[in-house]
Amino acid sequence: DQQVKQNSPSLSVQEGRISILNCDYTNSMFDYFLWYKKYPAEGPTFLISISSIKDKNEDGRFTVFLNKSAKHLSLHIVPSQPGDSAVYFCAASTPMDSSYKLIFGSGTRLLVRP
Amino acid sequence: DAMVIQNPRYQVTQFGKPVTLSCSQTLNHNVMYWYQQKSSQAPKLLFHYYDKDFNNEADTPDNFQSRRPNTSFCFLDIRSPGLGDAAMYLCATSSPREGFNEQFFGPGTRLTVL
Repeated sequence: DQQVKQNSPSLSVQEGRISILNCDYTNSMFDYFLWYKKYPAEGPTFLISISSIKDKNEDGRFTVFLNKSAKHLSLHIVPSQPGDSAVYFCAASTPMDSSYKLIFGSGTRLLVRP
Repeated sequence: DAMVIQNPRYQVTQFGKPVTLSCSQTLNHNVMYWYQQKSSQAPKLLFHYYDKDFNNEADTPDNFQSRRPNTSFCFLDIRSPGLGDAAMYLCATSSPREGFNEQFFGPGTRLTVL
């Protein structure tokens, strides 16, 4: 039972264009959503997050949008650069004991073509 | 730089031969996590430590154990590795007392079982 789904395993875009990565979730109790970026042979690194009480968060070229009614979030990268080529994981946060549990999607591999 | 370190980066073991993966952190975070990630799948939480308190996920096999001798170090022990345990193992840390949901990941250990 996948609570967080990334239905596109891969995405290819031209340099300078917009990249849109999508994520769907099933549990309306998730309180925070995060995007991680992973290069080969490295661990995932935090990119951007959004609280469930907001619908948009922006950080430079990266913007995350949250549509709670649709249980959908998306990551927009504008403009896309070749260095953005990586696997992007969507994760949802849920409280557990005194910390947080992250539930990950299976990732989308982004290729930005020069 | 403060970081999460995993050793070794690549580990080969034989079917049924116990193996230990290690993780250390210089972030002084009180929570440490172990994830298993199989090819093209989402990272899956195995267990975590909140300070010295161990918390096992309900579906983590008994074959997987963990130790945390101090704040900086955490070990993953696989008592009798099977072929299905071949995966990338990711260690992560967080500091919920500081109000962050973000988890910081190490580069991972890729385990091969022959």
